[in-house]
Amino acid sequence: DAGVTQSPTHLIKTRGQQVTLRCSPKSGHDTVSWYQQALGQGPQFIFQYYEEEERQRGNFPDRFSGHQFPNYSSELNVNALLLGDSALYLCASSTGVRVEQYFGPGTRLTVT
Amino acid sequence: AQSVTQLDSHVSVSEGTPVLLRCNYSSSYSPSLFWYVQHPNKGLQLLLKYTSAATLVKGINGFEAEFKKSETSFHLTKPSAHMSDAAEYFCVVSDPYFGNEKLTFGTGTRLTIIP
Repeated sequence: DAGVTQSPTHLIKTRGQQVTLRCSPKSGHDTVSWYQQALGQGPQFIFQYYEEEERQRGNFPDRFSGHQFPNYSSELNVNALLLGDSALYLCASSTGVRVEQYFGPGTRLTVT
Repeated sequence: AQSVTQLDSHVSVSEGTPVLLRCNYSSSYSPSLFWYVQHPNKGLQLLLKYTSAATLVKGINGFEAEFKKSETSFHLTKPSAHMSDAAEYFCVVSDPYFGNEKLTFGTGTRLTIIP
């Protein structure tokens, strides 16, 4: 049973560019959440998708957007990249009946 | 709003001695509480969870935590540290009132094991 997978593993972008990160949830999971983990800090909640709709959103600007597909996989898009967007981006999946979330290995984004 | 405070940013223990990582939480309602572990350059692994059942929760790798509502605490313990326990540990709260399953993380405790 494959766990949560994310791609790419690493990414280097320039300020002002746009980036798309991808996530496939654990088998049987229908909810995907995205988190940003800056160096030396705990993860911060960006948003959560369920039934292809954004269900919750954390304190992140509109430059951060997402999408969930019918197969429950998800994308995180960040526009107009800033140096401060450099971080580890973590995807987590869960089901509606259990509270725990399972995390993927993350995508390390570096903005230069 | 929900929040967690991890009282120690760094903890060092000798191999074979007990581990105690401290966490206090704030939540308006009956929360779910978790401990996650993150090894260097790895994702987050769930150690254990509390969801209003037994207050003493057993997790993987010999870790356990006790939910104390009167003290708003959820400290993580292990009787005997192993070198492989060296990692970053996060205490996490989820409060259904503010949105199903949103996780709020503490700032983390780095555990160092001295040989």
